[in-house]
Order: sequence, then C-alpha cells, then structure tokens
Amino acid sequence: DAGVIQSPRHEVTEMGQEVTLRCKPISGHDYLFWYRQTMMRGLELLIYFNNNVPIDDSGMPEDRFSAKMPNASFSTLKIQPSEPRDSAVYFCASSLVGSDTQYFGPGTRLTVL
Amino acid sequence: KQEVTQIPAALSVPEGENLVLNCSFTDSAIYNLQWFRQDPGKGLTSLLLIQSSQREQTSGRLNASLDKSSGRSTLYIAASQPGDSATYLCAVKDGENGNKLVFGAGTILRVKS
Repeated sequence: DAGVIQSPRHEVTEMGQEVTLRCKPISGHDYLFWYRQTMMRGLELLIYFNNNVPIDDSGMPEDRFSAKMPNASFSTLKIQPSEPRDSAVYFCASSLVGSDTQYFGPGTRLTVL
Repeated sequence: KQEVTQIPAALSVPEGENLVLNCSFTDSAIYNLQWFRQDPGKGLTSLLLIQSSQREQTSGRLNASLDKSSGRSTLYIAASQPGDSATYLCAVKDGENGNKLVFGAGTILRVKS
C-alpha cells in the first residue's frame, strides 16, 4: 500500500489566493483527519470524517477554511482567501474503525506570502 | 480542556546512552496514549500505543509507561543510536466515542555518534 498520499508537497502562494490541499487516504480506511502543525501551536486537529461524513470540525479556525470528502478515496482542504498566518504544514491521516492507530501522510508545507 | 506537555523540549545525548522522554496531561480521563516519531519533512509514525487500562508497552529498544492517575507517561529508549534522532510526540485520545488526539509539542532528540 502506498500509504496516505498528499499533494502538493509544497505550496507557495500570495495572500488572498485560494489554496486547495488534497489527500488520498489508505484504501479501506474509514476515518480521515486533517491536522495543522506550526511552531507556535504544535499539531492541531482541524476536522475529521467518518465514512465521508464530517464528524467534528471544531478545530477549523475560521470560515475561510473548508473541507470536503466527496468519496472514500479523496478529500480536500480549501483556504479562501489565504493569509500569511495560515502558513504551516498540513497533514492528512487515516485510520480503520476499531483501530486507534492513525497513519499520517508526508504533509503539505504551505507558505502564504 | 486537555493539555499535553512534553519535557524536555530538546535533548542531545551521545550514542549508546539510555534516555527518558516525559509527557504529562491535565485530564486523566483518557482512552489511550500514543507516542509518535516525526522525522524532518515527514509525517508522523506511531511507535507505541498504551490503552488506559495498561501500564506499559514495549517494542524493541522502546518502552512506554503510563500512570493515568498522575497524568504522566514516559518513553524510555535503550542504547540510543544516531538513527533515533527525530522529534518524539505524545498524544492522548479523549474519550471512547471520539477520535480526537491532543498532541504535545514534542521533544527534539539528537543522538551524536
């Protein structure tokens, strides 16, 4: 299995632009998680899905952030409009129902100028 | 609100030393605790998972203990090697019905050859 796949690996954009991050979970996994990692705040859960349904989005910082999971093999995290304080590494992770082990992707390093 | 603290923030040791990383959490009503390893520019890899009913878990040179009542966990690494150099994060899962992990800020470990 290829593991969790994220794209792009690096994204540099200017303030005000729309940014879309993509994630392909491990096949057969029921849960998908989006995290953000910064030096100041560490690793924070933004939102997670179970069987493509958003379960908890309380970690989404603002309305500028939105996440979707149109099918079991694909999810997006969108920031519109982006701001410099959104600069961070965004991780996607997936897991099986009944298992506490989350498998993380390599992350997308976002820089907003 | 659950808070997870890791001490020390950074640690540098010579190869071969045994070392201990510490993790504390404020709310003892956890479901489980995990230790992760993060290499630079990469995602997280789960090392050990301890259920709330367990007191320790071992994998190779790694041993993790859990004292739920005092809100503490330690990760013991025996005979450290340069390949152990990485950031180590602990995370607690709050409640059986949720899949949210709360992470500590991590300990950056450097093992010198």
